[in-house]
Amino acid sequence: AQSVAQPEDQVNVAEGNPLTVKCTYSVSGNPYLFWYVQYPNRGLQFLLKYITGDNLVKGSYGFEAEFNKSQTSFHLKKPSALVSDSALYFCAVRDAGGTSGTYKYIFGTGTRLKVLA
Amino acid sequence: NAGVTQTPKFQVLKTGQSMTLQCAQDMNHEYMSWYRQDPGMGLRLIHYSVGAGITDQGEVPNGYNVSRSTTEDFPLRLLSAAPSQTSVYFCASSPAGQSYEQYFGPGTRLTVT
Repeated sequence: AQSVAQPEDQVNVAEGNPLTVKCTYSVSGNPYLFWYVQYPNRGLQFLLKYITGDNLVKGSYGFEAEFNKSQTSFHLKKPSALVSDSALYFCAVRDAGGTSGTYKYIFGTGTRLKVLA
Repeated sequence: NAGVTQTPKFQVLKTGQSMTLQCAQDMNHEYMSWYRQDPGMGLRLIHYSVGAGITDQGEVPNGYNVSRSTTEDFPLRLLSAAPSQTSVYFCASSPAGQSYEQYFGPGTRLTVT
């Protein structure tokens, strides 16, 4: 079965320091991987995705993610954290399946990032 | 473009009442889905649709019905609300291809007493 794991419920980092939010996945076939961010009382916003090509993917707000096929990981990174980056982050994989032949998203449980001033 | 809109923003129901959560998108996206978000559980897929007239069950479909009569609209119906359905509900849409990201609505916070 396809799955996504975010092993950390919360990550704390000091402003200006690099941050990493971890994600591992299990899929059959090629992985289509996504990161989303959720600010308080808002819907999810797309940050970046890996479809194919370069293992380092760049996205919005200075975030990037590194795809590692051998470790089945897709960790979210940022070189220098901002207080405004504090939010809930979700990793997701798009799964092939369903009776209508569609591709369902499977989300991780989310990691709360807290950037301390 | 308004993107994905959801109404209402907040709703309180008594156990056994019914209601419909509305979702609409103006991006001509084929794929629409409903999720519920609960603390510590992440987002769980309730129902999804790949186009008008086609719906399928997600991870937690019990207690919810959907239909998709137009590309734009994808309402979620609670036939007999239960306290376990207290949650925040998100609607999302995307083009149908596997590589596309989803666009989310602002959510509906539902409390069932």
